[in-house]
Amino acid sequence: GENVEQHPSTLSVQEGDSAVIKCTYSDSASNYFPWYKQELGKGPQLIIDIRSNVGEKKDQRIAVTLNKTAKHFSLHITETQPEDSAVYFCAASIVQAGTALIFGKGTTLSVSS
Amino acid sequence: KAGVTQTPRYLIKTRGQQVTLSCSPISGHRSVSWYQQTPGQGLQFLFEYFSETQRNKGNFPGRFSGRQFSNSRSEMNVSTLELGDSALYLCASSLPQDPPSTHGYTFGSGTRLTVV
Repeated sequence: GENVEQHPSTLSVQEGDSAVIKCTYSDSASNYFPWYKQELGKGPQLIIDIRSNVGEKKDQRIAVTLNKTAKHFSLHITETQPEDSAVYFCAASIVQAGTALIFGKGTTLSVSS
Repeated sequence: KAGVTQTPRYLIKTRGQQVTLSCSPISGHRSVSWYQQTPGQGLQFLFEYFSETQRNKGNFPGRFSGRQFSNSRSEMNVSTLELGDSALYLCASSLPQDPPSTHGYTFGSGTRLTVV
């Protein structure tokens, strides 16, 4: 079945450094790839998304890249801040399943000052 | 505007009991999806409702069911609870587009269910 693998599972960086999280997906028909940030005690919050007809998208310090051929996409956070510390999830759309998404297992990002 | 509201926030139930969780989506959002989040399996899709109809269903047993009302509010029910049903149950609302709209899902804070 469909699968999304996410690496690394934990990531520790110094404030100001960049952080990169990578995901691979199995279904070549997936066409929507969102990233979510989940803070303790809260539900996941959409931070950026990309569709299969776009290779890269940026929003201030956050960017996502997509390589359809290799079936992988990545989240890049530049100039990290302590408030970026959270669990980050990538996801891919499940073909022929409405708005359903399949999620990666998550990356716990810790930014130390 | 108000976000996605889930009630209750916490629940403790005994094995064999049943439970009903509630979700009120963002005003104007007509699609409501439910996800189960556990440390071992992560976020897993349960089902999606749109216009009071189940549009898609994940790979969960029939003990998990749901419904949607005419005002888009949704409930999910788990019957004959098992210890393994302990999880955070998340509701997400979105505009009824396929795939999700530019703004994607908006999740609620979830209901933490503990089965003892």
